[in-house]
Amino acid sequence: AQSVTQLGSHVSVSEGALVLLRCNYSSSVPPYLFWYVQYPNQGLQLLLKYTTGATLVKGINGFEAEFKKSETSFHLTKPSAHMSDAAEYFCAVSDLELFNQGAQKLVFGQGTRLTINP
Amino acid sequence: DTGVSQNPRHKITKRGQNVTFRCDPISEHNRLYWYRQTLGQGPEFLTYFQNEAQLEKSRLLSDRFSAERPKGSFSTLEIQRTEQGDSAMYLCASSSRQGRQETQYFGPGTRLLVL
Repeated sequence: AQSVTQLGSHVSVSEGALVLLRCNYSSSVPPYLFWYVQYPNQGLQLLLKYTTGATLVKGINGFEAEFKKSETSFHLTKPSAHMSDAAEYFCAVSDLELFNQGAQKLVFGQGTRLTINP
Repeated sequence: DTGVSQNPRHKITKRGQNVTFRCDPISEHNRLYWYRQTLGQGPEFLTYFQNEAQLEKSRLLSDRFSAERPKGSFSTLEIQRTEQGDSAMYLCASSSRQGRQETQYFGPGTRLLVL
């Protein structure tokens, strides 16, 4: 089965500083990878996803992530943090078994809470 | 596109009671997923519908849980004889298949507290 590990349940950065949220996955075949953001009392919103092709993926709100197969990583970055980026971030991978049946069962990491200091 | 909606947003119930949640997917989305998110954890897959057919159920979905999607539109998730361990956020997502680049759109969730 596939799995996702997010290193660091809490990350705190200053406004304007680099944001780096770490995600490592395990998969026996090339995965589809996702980053979602969850604001308090809201559902999940897709930030970006990697399926095939270019390994550097750009998403919404200035975020990007790079798929590194050799490191089994998909870290999320943003050059300059804004106060509005404070939220919970989840990395996810498609479960291949269901995917081959045409569905997209997402397997999520435990999440990283991002705090922005003024 | 009005987004995925879920009702109620919050539910408090006593142990042993039955509860039912509703999810209205984005119009014309033929796929619908239910996930459960406990405090401090990421969402976990519960079940999946394609149109009205329930095609997959996680082993997390005990026999006290049942989900339906009549006519392939809205879906309901019922929990019978609730237990304190059922306290969680229940998330619904819908999607329309676009080749292998499906994107799931999540609703705001229903937060359940079992006393």
